[in-house]
Amino acid sequence: GEDVEQSLFLSVREGDSSVINCTYTDSSSTYLYWYKQEPGAGLQLLTYIFSNMDMKQDQRLTVLLNKKDKHLSLRIADTQTGDSAIYFCADTGGGNKLTFGTGTQLKVEL
Amino acid sequence: DAGITQSPRHKVTETGTPVTLRCHQTENHRYMYWYRQDPGHGLRLIHYSYGVKDTDKGEVSDGYSVSRSKTEDFLLTLESATSSQTSVYFCAISDDQGAQEGETQYFGPGTRLLVL
Repeated sequence: GEDVEQSLFLSVREGDSSVINCTYTDSSSTYLYWYKQEPGAGLQLLTYIFSNMDMKQDQRLTVLLNKKDKHLSLRIADTQTGDSAIYFCADTGGGNKLTFGTGTQLKVEL
Repeated sequence: DAGITQSPRHKVTETGTPVTLRCHQTENHRYMYWYRQDPGHGLRLIHYSYGVKDTDKGEVSDGYSVSRSKTEDFLLTLESATSSQTSVYFCAISDDQGAQEGETQYFGPGTRLLVL
């Protein structure tokens, strides 16, 4: 079945850029998403990219999609302590159903 | 946040007892989902609904049932709770929004369930 993989942890210094990576297996994915989960909270939609796009920028967030390699990344510029959270990528390989990665815990150090 | 509430937010129960979790939405969205979140597994789909009385199984549906008698409510029942069902349960909603929005899902705050 569909598989979405992410590294489990990332640690960066405040002010640096963070890059969170994701790989997926379903080549029919229409949309790919990034969600953010803060401690004790639900998932908050950060951004999404349509599969025919290579890049999408939204303020400090840049999403890159390499469809050939089935690789998705989320870059957060000028990372702040408030960006510390778990980040999930997800794709719509199954129509209205999402397949989630395991999540990457981002820790921002002063 | 989209208008999604979950109840209860926390529950402790004993093995073998039935448990029902409720998801309520005020967005009139067509699709509703139940996920469980466990360390190392991300979110896994339990059941989903594509309309009133229309439901289907997800990836990890064994031991769970759902019902949707109204657009706004989606109930998840653990028929006989087991310790392996200790988890955080999230409800999500989505609608047919066309090409610009895709099938974006919006999540509730979650229910923490502990089965002793």
